Amino acid sequence: GAVVSQHPSRVICKSGTSVKIECRSLDFQATTMFWYRQFPKQSLMLMATSNEGSKATYEQGVEKDKFLINHASLTLSTLTVTSAHPEDSSFYICSARGGTGRNQPQHFGDGTRLSIL
Amino acid sequence: GNSVTQMEGPVTLSEEAFLTINCTYTATGYPSLFWYVQYPGEGLQLLLKATKADDKGSNKGFEATYRKETTSFHLEKGSVQVSDSAVYFCALSGQGAQKLVFGQGTRLTINP
Repeated sequence: GAVVSQHPSRVICKSGTSVKIECRSLDFQATTMFWYRQFPKQSLMLMATSNEGSKATYEQGVEKDKFLINHASLTLSTLTVTSAHPEDSSFYICSARGGTGRNQPQHFGDGTRLSIL
Repeated sequence: GNSVTQMEGPVTLSEEAFLTINCTYTATGYPSLFWYVQYPGEGLQLLLKATKADDKGSNKGFEATYRKETTSFHLEKGSVQVSDSAVYFCALSGQGAQKLVFGQGTRLTINP
């Protein structure tokens, strides 16, 4: 149980393109979803937290107009990287959590490797 | 604020060796503690968790005990396999907090 599907797994596109990444909880309702960015050989950096039906809460230093997050249903959140540039190239990972409370673990997708040429 | 410190890697062991990856934390109150594993090119998988002091989380031969007196949650396995090669992340979720705070990750390589 607790499967999170992230799509696409890899994207290569030209500078200036907008890219949408989907994150779906397949067998549970995700009240909260999280978006992370991971640089090579580093830990995960939380970008934003989104609760279903609410605006996302962005971490300090993350441009909300650059990284648009939508959490329109209990099973789907999307991250759109707008007008992507080479410095946006990274590994993006989503996670989802059902229920509230600190004991609920986050379940992670397999990540999306974004390469901007 | 809350923080997690893991032993620095990379760690290289031979198959069937005993594994310990140290993790200590700083947090107010009573956090929940987690170990996640990341295989190359993939997202993170929950390995085990513990939600209160003296709890032991275990899965796939891995164990970790929540030690409040030493603020530690060390990961152990008695006999590692080549397939255990991955990056391991210790993490905590503080009281009333939604976010996970991650350690820096420890890269483990097991040689046959």
